[in-house]
Amino acid sequence: DVKVTQSSRYLVKRTGEKVFLECVQDMDHENMFWYRQDPGLGLRLIYFSYDVKMKEKGDIPEGYSVSREKKERFSLILESASTNQTSMYLCASSLSGQGTDTQYFGPGTRLTVL
Amino acid sequence: GQSLEQPSEVTAVEGAIVQINCTYQTSGFYGLSWYQQHDGGAPTFLSYNALDGLEETGRFSSFLSRSDSYGYLLLQELQMKDSASYFCAVGTGGFKTIFGAGTRLFVKA
Repeated sequence: DVKVTQSSRYLVKRTGEKVFLECVQDMDHENMFWYRQDPGLGLRLIYFSYDVKMKEKGDIPEGYSVSREKKERFSLILESASTNQTSMYLCASSLSGQGTDTQYFGPGTRLTVL
Repeated sequence: GQSLEQPSEVTAVEGAIVQINCTYQTSGFYGLSWYQQHDGGAPTFLSYNALDGLEETGRFSSFLSRSDSYGYLLLQELQMKDSASYFCAVGTGGFKTIFGAGTRLFVKA
């Protein structure tokens, strides 16, 4: 069974804080993704990585950065949290492919920025 | 721009059949997928269509017509546990996938 874990289920931070969200997958997947999910907007891609130390911007990268130092771990960083970054953050991984492979999602981190 | 359109809500009764439609407008197309998400849970993969036609997996079937940029998810013999949100998603190439906003399915007894 593929397992994707995220460091926290719930997180509350203050405006201006630096926030780290961690994601780990145990299936040796090449690709990892960070999405945010907001009501009525579905899942929107923030960043993805197709290999260690490789990263690509998704559709809404502003205000975020990522790090992938090891194959199994993909971190999302909010350099200076703002209230409009309050959201559910979902990490996913897939074996390979051009967006055709099944994505396996973690349980999500609900981030509230006050 | 790129977009996927699906109804925001669908209600059906237990034991019935329900169809959730998805139309897409994307710059690339590498297949249509469907995901299910229960409240508080992670999205989980249901089905994938790369070619036109119907794919069946138990009570769930998915259909694709590439010429119409259209697909649907068909759920048969609805059960209460099928109450969830359903997302269509299109692989657009370059490792990217675009998701629809989701359809909330309510199953009534």
